[in-house]
This record gives sequence, C-alpha cells and structure tokens, in this order.
Amino acid sequence: GQQLNQSPQSMFIQEGEDVSMNCTSSSIFNTWLWYKQEPGEGPVLLIALYKAGELTSNGRLTAQFGITRKDSFLNISASIPSDVGIYFCAGLGGTSYGKLTFGQGTILTVHP
Amino acid sequence: GAGVSQSPSNKVTEKGKDVELRCDPISGHTALYWYRQSLGQGLEFLIYFQGNSAPDKSGLPSDRFSAERTGGSVSTLTIQRTQQEDSAVYLCASSFLQDPYGYTFGSGTRLTVV
Repeated sequence: GQQLNQSPQSMFIQEGEDVSMNCTSSSIFNTWLWYKQEPGEGPVLLIALYKAGELTSNGRLTAQFGITRKDSFLNISASIPSDVGIYFCAGLGGTSYGKLTFGQGTILTVHP
Repeated sequence: GAGVSQSPSNKVTEKGKDVELRCDPISGHTALYWYRQSLGQGLEFLIYFQGNSAPDKSGLPSDRFSAERTGGSVSTLTIQRTQQEDSAVYLCASSFLQDPYGYTFGSGTRLTVV
C-alpha cells in the first residue's frame, strides 16, 4: 500500500542534542499526525496538524504542516533518554473516516 | 475497558495453520481499525469497521485474511493457511466516529510463522 517517505530511518544522538525528522508524500493530506511507539506498545499520538503551514508545539516537540500539504517535519529539542523510540508520521485524507497512511518510522536512540 | 486490549500478545504458529487475533476496543468507540506492522516498516492499513460493518477492507492482503466484528465491540482478525510473510505485529485501534485524533492503539499481537 501507499506509504509516506520518512527520513532519516534511524538516528543516534547524545542527550541534550536537537533532533529533526521529516516526511514527504506524492499525495496531498488534509491532516498530518506524528506518533511515538515504544517497544511492545502501540503508537501514541504526539502532535496533530490540521492546516497547511501550521506550526504546533507540544513541550519540547515542534511540528509543521508543509504549505503544499505534501510534507511535514518534527523537531525534538534538548533530547533526553526517554525520547528513545520509533517516531512515525501519518497522513489523513481522502476518506471520511480515520484511515491513516504511515511513514516507515525513524528509530531514535539517545545516549546519556 | 480503559484501553484497547489485544490478545494474544504473542503467537507462534506453524506455516499452514489458521490463527485468530482478538481486539477489544474502548467501550463506546464505534470505529475500529486493524493495521499490520512488518519489521522495519510503518503501519499498513488492513480494514476499517464502523459498528459491525466493514466499509473499507481494501488493505487485506489476500483472501486468506478476514475479519469480523460483533456487537459493535470485539473484533477478530483471522488468517488462514498462514505463510511466513504473514509474520508481523498486528495492531488494532479504536476511536469515536470521525475522530481520528482520538485513535487509541492496542499493544498489538506479534505473530511469528515458522
């Protein structure tokens, strides 16, 4: 099935560093979502973006909905060890219900 | 319940056997989704339920896959004649109708076909 192109696939950083990851798509989405998944758990919603150009923050997380509606990025500032996990972008669009198209995920490792 | 419950959490099965995966959504959530997560991949949509009906089953990979939902609650995903490529984590999510931001995922069933 269709997937979003998410990069990078993995990141190894030191505690305190900032992190940036992004997603691109050939299709337009009406909503972009960012999830975090920890081992043995399902994804948990971090940020939802509803309008093109929107910039939204949630604590140390900042995400933007690209103006073309075909891309989004997520920044994490001052990373801490508990930020470790897999981060997924997801796009919502084209249906009247919540069918999501997911990126491949970014595996984040934070070294203390 | 407080969250989406999936069982079993892990399942190892022999190639060719049938398996059933169960999802108990959050009480009152009318929408239910199944996704598949293969190693190193994102989540792949399988099927969507609204109540007991499945208006979108376009993601089911083959006719070996089927799903049902009863009483507007529990859902079962059945895979017949399992193959090794079916090995993945199967995730269920539920939400109120047309409230994808309120999606809650279960912890998934890790299926291994040997």
